[in-house]
Amino acid sequence: AQTIHQWPVAEIKAVGSPLSLGCTIKGKSSPNLYWYWQATGGTLQQLFYSITVGQVESVVQLNLSASRPKDDQFILSTEKLLLSHSGFYLCAWSLTGRSSDYTFGSGTRLLVI
Amino acid sequence: GDQVEQSPSALSLHEGTGSALRCNFTTTMRAVQWFRKNSRGSLINLFYLASGTKENGRLKSAFDSKERYSTLHIRDAQLEDSGTYFCAASSGSFNKLTFGAGTRLAVCP
Repeated sequence: AQTIHQWPVAEIKAVGSPLSLGCTIKGKSSPNLYWYWQATGGTLQQLFYSITVGQVESVVQLNLSASRPKDDQFILSTEKLLLSHSGFYLCAWSLTGRSSDYTFGSGTRLLVI
Repeated sequence: GDQVEQSPSALSLHEGTGSALRCNFTTTMRAVQWFRKNSRGSLINLFYLASGTKENGRLKSAFDSKERYSTLHIRDAQLEDSGTYFCAASSGSFNKLTFGAGTRLAVCP
C-alpha cells in the first residue's frame, strides 16, 4: 500500500531562519508530487509540482523553493523565513496530473515568529 | 484562471437531517475530488469523480463537467460528520488541483 509521510509535524521558527520540510512516498514508482500551502483562514494553494526526479515547477512565488532529490522524496525549503510563511503545508501525490486523484500527507504546521 | 466557488461557506444541521454542498467551476474541469479535513488539518479523500455519481454510506457526490458543478449530499447527518469539507477540481491546466474555500459543517443534537 502507498504511504505518504511528512515531517516535521509542526515547527516554530524565527523570522530569517532557514526551513526544510520533507515528504516521502512509499509504494509508488515515479509519482507526481505536489506541495500545497494554506495560510490561516486562507484557501489551499498549490506551490510546486514535480513529475520526475530533479524536475520541479513553481506555481506560486512565495520565496520558497522545492527539490526532488529522489524519486520518492520532495523537499520544501527556504534560507530565510518570513512571517507570511506561517501556515499549513501539505504534500500530495498522484499517478498523473490530468485525471488522477490526489492523496495528501498529514501536513506540517509552521509558525514563524 | 480556474476558479472553484464552493457553497455554503457554513452549514448547520440537526442530527438525522441532510443537505447538499455545491461547487461551481468557472471552466470545464476534468475531475473533482471531495475532501474532509481531519482533526490535524490534513485532507481525507471522500470521493474522486471524472463523471457521474458515487455513493459511500450516507454521502453521495455528483459531477457534471458540462454544466460545471459538483455536489456532495449528506443524509442522516451524525455528530461525527461535523468538520470542514473541500471540493477540488483539476482542469486542462496540467498538474494543478484548484480548491474551493471549504464548507464548515456543524451537526447539532
